[in-house]
Amino acid sequence: DAKTTQPPSMDCAEGRAANLPCNHSTISGNEYVYWYRQIHSQGPQYIIHGLKNNETNEMASLIITEDRKSSTLILPHATLRDTAVYYCIVRVDNSGYSTLTFGKGTMLLVSP
Amino acid sequence: DTGVSQDPRHKITKRGQNVTFRCDPISEHNRLYWYRQTLGQGPEFLTYFQNEAQLEKSRLLSDRFSAERPKGSFSTLEIQRTEQGDSAMYLCASTPPGTFYEQYFGPGTRLTVT
Repeated sequence: DAKTTQPPSMDCAEGRAANLPCNHSTISGNEYVYWYRQIHSQGPQYIIHGLKNNETNEMASLIITEDRKSSTLILPHATLRDTAVYYCIVRVDNSGYSTLTFGKGTMLLVSP
Repeated sequence: DTGVSQDPRHKITKRGQNVTFRCDPISEHNRLYWYRQTLGQGPEFLTYFQNEAQLEKSRLLSDRFSAERPKGSFSTLEIQRTEQGDSAMYLCASTPPGTFYEQYFGPGTRLTVT
């Protein structure tokens, strides 16, 4: 699976958009970008995933650059409950070996 | 949908003792995963079951670790002769048939070896 690079921490004001970047310059054509988050003392939670098109769901939007070497997770209106560690993961979907390889992620602190 | 549950939530044990953790996945989820997470790090994969078959084990899973999923439902993770380096959060996750992208995680079991 391709390696990802994320900033260790970011701050965001409540109500503003949080834009979390991820670099994955060695991504292969059949690898998907996944985002999970982990709120303190809880297990990780799936947010969104995509291959090359931008994706949106009720939690967030995922913007993948045209060359697929980087992506941005957007929380449009961050709340205090969005304070968490956000993990960007790149892996082949539909593989028989369907584990996830987590890095250290980005600690997002949402402040009032 | 009651979510993935893990028991116990916290375990304190003395070095050299054996411990066993239990994971109950979401009903009808056929895939089950164990991860270990130490402070400041992301979760690390330990092992993976599809139904009752253990299909993959990480090199992190030493001979002191064993996992089972006897009837393809709940799973247990046992650590024998615990060491202080085993202190970590042990996370369980599951996925339903036909889905590879979303893993549903439990709250974890925090192990402290003294």
